[in-house]
Amino acid sequence: EAQVTQNPRYLITVTGKKLTVTCSQNMNHEYMSWYRQDPGLGLRQIYYSMNVEVTDKGDVPEGYKVSRKEKRNFPLILESPSPNQTSLYFCASSLGGPNSPLHFGNGTRLTVT
Amino acid sequence: GQNIDQPTEMTATEGAIVQINCTYQTSGFNGLFWYQQHAGEAPTFLSYNVLDGLEEKGRFSSFLSRSKGYSYLLLKELQMKDSASYLCAVRDPSSGSARQLTFGSGTQLTVLP
Repeated sequence: EAQVTQNPRYLITVTGKKLTVTCSQNMNHEYMSWYRQDPGLGLRQIYYSMNVEVTDKGDVPEGYKVSRKEKRNFPLILESPSPNQTSLYFCASSLGGPNSPLHFGNGTRLTVT
Repeated sequence: GQNIDQPTEMTATEGAIVQINCTYQTSGFNGLFWYQQHAGEAPTFLSYNVLDGLEEKGRFSSFLSRSKGYSYLLLKELQMKDSASYLCAVRDPSSGSARQLTFGSGTQLTVLP
């Protein structure tokens, strides 16, 4: 089944403790992206990747890192999480053509205390 | 800059027709997407418009007017399962990546029996 898989689904952590949210897609998509979703603000892009070893900042990159060492994986790293990073995170991928829709993972609900 | 506006909430009755509007102001335009998102779940793709006019797909249709910066999603024969948030997203190539999408905050539709 074609899908984008994120893990974990839920994560509670404390300020400053490094964490990684994994994302993997099995559709051979070139384009991958991370979004955060907050009430009233909609989906905002954190980072995106056009292909292996090619990443770029989205609208809200501060406090996050990503890597794209393999085509299928695009992990999101929070080196020192803070409470303002409490949010619902989505990974997404697409073929990359202008009319290609994004396929989203099931989301990771992160709480930083 | 980019600005995408949608009503925050709408309510309609089962079996009725509802129109969800989206207006956008972007520097460039390379397509508009509609997504459906049930509470706590991932957004799923509904429709794509890049040329002016109406695209019909079963009970859902989407309309685009590029000159007016305006789109709507039309849902017919509403069902209870259509209660969800509907996200409008615009692809703006001037934003730095031809594949980047900017999302509106979403319209929460409640279908009443």
